[in-house]
Amino acid sequence: NAGVTQTPKFQVLKTGQSMTLQCAQDMNHNSMYWYRQDPGMGLRLIYYSASEGTTDKGEVPNGYNVSRLNKREFSLRLESAAPSQTSVYFCASSDLGSTQYFGPGTRLTVL
Amino acid sequence: QKEVEQNSGPLSVPEGAIASLNCTYSDRGSQSFFWYRQYSGKSPELIMSIYSNGDKEDGRFTAQLNKASQYVSLLIRDSQPSDSATYLCAVKGANAGNNRKLIWGLGTSLAVNP
Repeated sequence: NAGVTQTPKFQVLKTGQSMTLQCAQDMNHNSMYWYRQDPGMGLRLIYYSASEGTTDKGEVPNGYNVSRLNKREFSLRLESAAPSQTSVYFCASSDLGSTQYFGPGTRLTVL
Repeated sequence: QKEVEQNSGPLSVPEGAIASLNCTYSDRGSQSFFWYRQYSGKSPELIMSIYSNGDKEDGRFTAQLNKASQYVSLLIRDSQPSDSATYLCAVKGANAGNNRKLIWGLGTSLAVNP
């Protein structure tokens, strides 16, 4: 059981470039989440998917898009990266919106 | 007022002491509460969940919930240097609009000194 996996682990982008962060879970969970974590700001929810086929905005959705590809996979896309999007990104999954299990994170730097 | 509040710390305790971490929440209807530990550079990992008033023990960890006072705490007995981390309190949303989400505190940094 791999749990929640994320790719890539590290990424450096230039302002205006685009990229997609990938997340997959093998726990058969219905719900998946994308967070960003910045010093002093805690975990902030970007988007979540309560179940396959649905996505909803979280606290800080601007500048991001998501796709729930199937029950296992939930991707986060930055269409035009900005320095303000430099952060650590975590994907998480849960069943019934309860205990969340996190992936190892992606450390993104936008120059 | 933030929905979930924690003292940011740092909380510093000597090795072998009891560390006490506190969290208050604003939504009286909340029913599910979680403590996560996050080491520097790592992802959050679940320590304990608690759903009923009272104490719940798991090894050196005890979670305490008081819904009337809207607080949840985490006690770490016989603290070890390996317990040095940031501890995050999370509360499951109570209403139909947010009951698929967790509301997070900013975390308390704990340092256990040898």
